[in-house]
Amino acid sequence: EAQVTQNPRYLITVTGKKLTVTCSQNMNHEYMSWYRQDPGLGLRQIYYSMNVEVTDKGDVPEGYKVSRKEKRNFPLILESPSPNQTSLYFCASSLSEAGGVGAQYFGPGTRLTVT
Amino acid sequence: SQQGEEDPQALSIQEGENATMNCSYKTSINNLQWYRQNSGRGLVHLILIRSNEREKHSGRLRVTLDTSKKSSSLLITASRAADTASYFCATDGNAEGSQGNLIFGKGTKLSVKP
Repeated sequence: EAQVTQNPRYLITVTGKKLTVTCSQNMNHEYMSWYRQDPGLGLRQIYYSMNVEVTDKGDVPEGYKVSRKEKRNFPLILESPSPNQTSLYFCASSLSEAGGVGAQYFGPGTRLTVT
Repeated sequence: SQQGEEDPQALSIQEGENATMNCSYKTSINNLQWYRQNSGRGLVHLILIRSNEREKHSGRLRVTLDTSKKSSSLLITASRAADTASYFCATDGNAEGSQGNLIFGKGTKLSVKP
């Protein structure tokens, strides 16, 4: 089954404790991306990757890191989480088309609470 | 950065009626995409329309794109209670360095009453 998986689905942690949210896709997509969703603010892009070893900042990259060492995985790293990073996080992937990225396939989301 | 903005923020209709949602954006684009989200769940892709296309259909969905006005609309015909969800537009810019930087709007919350 074609899918994007994220782990963990729920996480409660404390300020400053490094964490990683994993994202994996099995569709051989070149493009992957991370978003956060907050009430009243919609989805905001954190980082994206057009292909292996290529990553770019989205609109809200501060406090996050990513890596793209292999095509299927795109982990999101919070080196020192803070309460303002409490949010619902989504990973997505798509094909890269001539003239833009394609339809995004979204993971189920990771609800992160930082106390 | 460019920003997709949906209008209205919330829409409540009766089953069987049509629902129209609008999206405006600020800069030139490669494509515009519409998504649906049921409460707290992952987004589901509905339609992608490219900058050189003006209209696209998929089942009960019709999307139009007017690049001169930098706007798009999503029409859901003969709505059903199961269409109740939030709907988002997202734009993929074509300016140098902006491809892949998908910008989502804040969404329209649609409620379809049986």
